[in-house]
Amino acid sequence: AQSVTQPDIHITVSEGASLELRCNYSYGATPYLFWYVQSPGQGLQLLLKYFSGDTLVQGIKGFEAEFKRSQSSFNLRKPSVHWSDAAEYFCAVGAKSSASKIIFGSGTRLSIRP
Amino acid sequence: EAGVTQSPTHLIKTRGQQATLRCSPISGHTSVYWYQQALGLGLQFLLWYDEGEERNRGNFPPRFSGRQFPNYSSELNVNALELEDSALYLCASSLAPGASYEQYFGPGTRLTVT
Repeated sequence: AQSVTQPDIHITVSEGASLELRCNYSYGATPYLFWYVQSPGQGLQLLLKYFSGDTLVQGIKGFEAEFKRSQSSFNLRKPSVHWSDAAEYFCAVGAKSSASKIIFGSGTRLSIRP
Repeated sequence: EAGVTQSPTHLIKTRGQQATLRCSPISGHTSVYWYQQALGLGLQFLLWYDEGEERNRGNFPPRFSGRQFPNYSSELNVNALELEDSALYLCASSLAPGASYEQYFGPGTRLTVT
C-alpha cells in the first residue's frame, strides 16, 4: 500500500536561509510524487510534481525537489526562503493507474524567523 | 476561469445532527475528491467521484456519504455528527481520473460540531 511520511512536524528557519523539507514514501513501483503548499485559511496549491525522467524537478515559487529511488525520498528544497513561504507543506504519492488516488503526508509547518 | 468553490465557508452543528457540504469543480473537470483535514492529522482521503460514480472511498464510516450530480458538482453528507468530525473539509477537482491529473483545491468548509 502507498504511504507517505513527513518526519518533521514543524520547522523554523531564518529568512534568507536555505530550506529542506523531508519526505519518504512507500510504494512498490515508481510513484507519482507531489508537493503541495497550504497557506493559512486557504486550500492547497501544487508546487511541483514528479512523474518520470529527470529526478530533479523545478516548481513554482523557486522550489525544487529531488527524487531518490534508492532512499525512497522526495525532499523539497529552496535556496533562500522568504517570509511569505511560511505555510504548511504536504508531500503526496500516487500511482500511474487512472484508478489511483493520491495519498498525502501529515504535513510540515514552516515558520520563518525574521 | 473560476476555481473550485465550496459552500458554506463555515458550518456549526450539534452532535447527532446532519451536515451537508457542497463543492463546484472547475468547469470541464469530471473528478471530484473530498478530504478531511483535522487538526494535526494532515489530509485524510474521504471520497472520490468521477462521471457521477463513486470511484474510491477512504477509511471512514458509512455515515460519511456523498454524490456527484450531472453537472459534476458534488455534495458531502455527514450523518449523526460526532465531536471528532470537527475539521476542515477540502474538495478538489481534476480534469480526469487518476494521479497524473493535477488536483485543484477549494478553500474548504470549516465544520464545527458542538
